[in-house]
Amino acid sequence: GQNIDQPTEMTATEGAIVQINCTYQTSGFNGLFWYQQHAGEAPTFLSYNVLDGLEEKGRFSSFLSRSKGYSYLLLKELQMKDSASYLCAVSPVSGYSTLTFGKGTMLLVSP
Amino acid sequence: NAGVTQTPKFRVLKTGQSMTLLCAQDMNHEYMYWYRQDPGMGLRLIHYSVGEGTTAKGEVPDGYNVSRLKKQNFLLGLESAAPSQTSVYFCASTSLAGGYNEQFFGPGTRLTVL
Repeated sequence: GQNIDQPTEMTATEGAIVQINCTYQTSGFNGLFWYQQHAGEAPTFLSYNVLDGLEEKGRFSSFLSRSKGYSYLLLKELQMKDSASYLCAVSPVSGYSTLTFGKGTMLLVSP
Repeated sequence: NAGVTQTPKFRVLKTGQSMTLLCAQDMNHEYMYWYRQDPGMGLRLIHYSVGEGTTAKGEVPDGYNVSRLKKQNFLLGLESAAPSQTSVYFCASTSLAGGYNEQFFGPGTRLTVL
C-alpha cells in the first residue's frame, strides 16, 4: 500500500523561506513529484526527484532521500502568489503509470 | 494546443440521475486518468487508461464507469448519482516518452448531487 504524509497547513511571510515536508511509505518507489494547486484551479507540475539530493529550479527546490522515505519542497523569496496547496505524489515502480497523492499542504503567505 | 479540456465545468444533479463527463487531450498521450478531489482527502484515483480500448480501476472506482474509445478522449460516467459523489473531478494525461509520468491536468468539473 501507499501512505504519504504532509502537514495540513503552513503559514509564512512574504520574502521568507518555507520548507514543506513529505514522508512516504510505499510498496514500490520510482520517483516523487511536487505539484502546486491554486484555489479553484488544476494542479500544475513543479518538480520531480528520482535520485537522492537537491533539485533546484528558480525559487523552488526539491529534495529527496530514498533511504529515509522523505522529501521536502523549499520555497525561497516567498511571494503572495505562492499561496496555494502543494501536493506531494509518489510514482511506484518504473513501468507503472499511476501516481499516489498526499492530501496536500495549504500554504498561506501573508504580507 | 489546448492541452487537457473537460466538459462540463459545472453540473448539478439530483440523486439517481446519470451523466457523463468528457475529457479530451490533444497531446497524443497514451495514459489518461480520472481523479476526484474532496476537502481533506486529496486527489484520489477513480479509473485510468493506459491506451485506447483499455481501462483499469483506481483507488475509488465504485459508482463510476469509464470508456476510452478514442485515444484523445476519456469518458467518466455516473449511472445513478449519489450525494457522496459531490466532488471536483479532474482528468489528467501523460506520456512516458520522457521516462517519467508527469501528469497534465484539466481545469476540473465541479459536480453537486442533491
